[in-house]
Amino acid sequence: EVQLMESGGGLVQSGGSLRLSCVASGFTFTTYSINWVRQAPGKGLEWVSYVASTGATSYADSVKGRFTVSRDNAKTSLYLQMNGLRAEDTAVYYCVRDYHYYFDLWGRGTLVTVSS
Amino acid sequence: QTVVTQEPPFSVSPGGTVTLTCGLTSGSVSTTHYPSWYQQTPGQLPRTLIYATNIRSSGVPDRFSGSILGNKAALTITGAQADDESDYYCALYMGSGIWMFGGGTKLTVL
Repeated sequence: EVQLMESGGGLVQSGGSLRLSCVASGFTFTTYSINWVRQAPGKGLEWVSYVASTGATSYADSVKGRFTVSRDNAKTSLYLQMNGLRAEDTAVYYCVRDYHYYFDLWGRGTLVTVSS
Repeated sequence: QTVVTQEPPFSVSPGGTVTLTCGLTSGSVSTTHYPSWYQQTPGQLPRTLIYATNIRSSGVPDRFSGSILGNKAALTITGAQADDESDYYCALYMGSGIWMFGGGTKLTVL
């Protein structure tokens, strides 16, 4: 089955760190760019970060300098290291496949709650 | 800082036609932004409706169509049905691996 599965969410205090993981299966992971997209409770979608099949990365201004995305092609996995967490980072974080300039496959998401 | 704009909550009558738009606070939306549209109902994952401006995703009814109208991307629903009541988000590719979502439009069918 073609899928993405996130893990690693939880409750963390403001200023703390958390590492999210996303495991891909059912497709050739190395040929796709993968993104993190988040959705705060009751709010809209917000793009967070991107890692290309080449390993190149990019970030939204709201997380630049605090979050780091990486991928391990051997493990078909994507990671998001989140440092300096703030209350406004509270959201469901989705791992999302990028196929020819659109988001075509979404994981179920993992909830990150930052307590102030 | 550039923001992607979408309409506030919108309503359409059953069977009616509605056009939702996706703009930029600075500049125009063009095909080089590869506009895509996503439908999301509460508790569900986003579903891709339209990508690359006007290509319908697999299984999406042909009452959904995408275009560029003036300086914005547009999603038109022709013959709205009750189960089209959802939140609609557009996404724009800004280059260099950077994406932006609009704030979403909540569509009510009544």
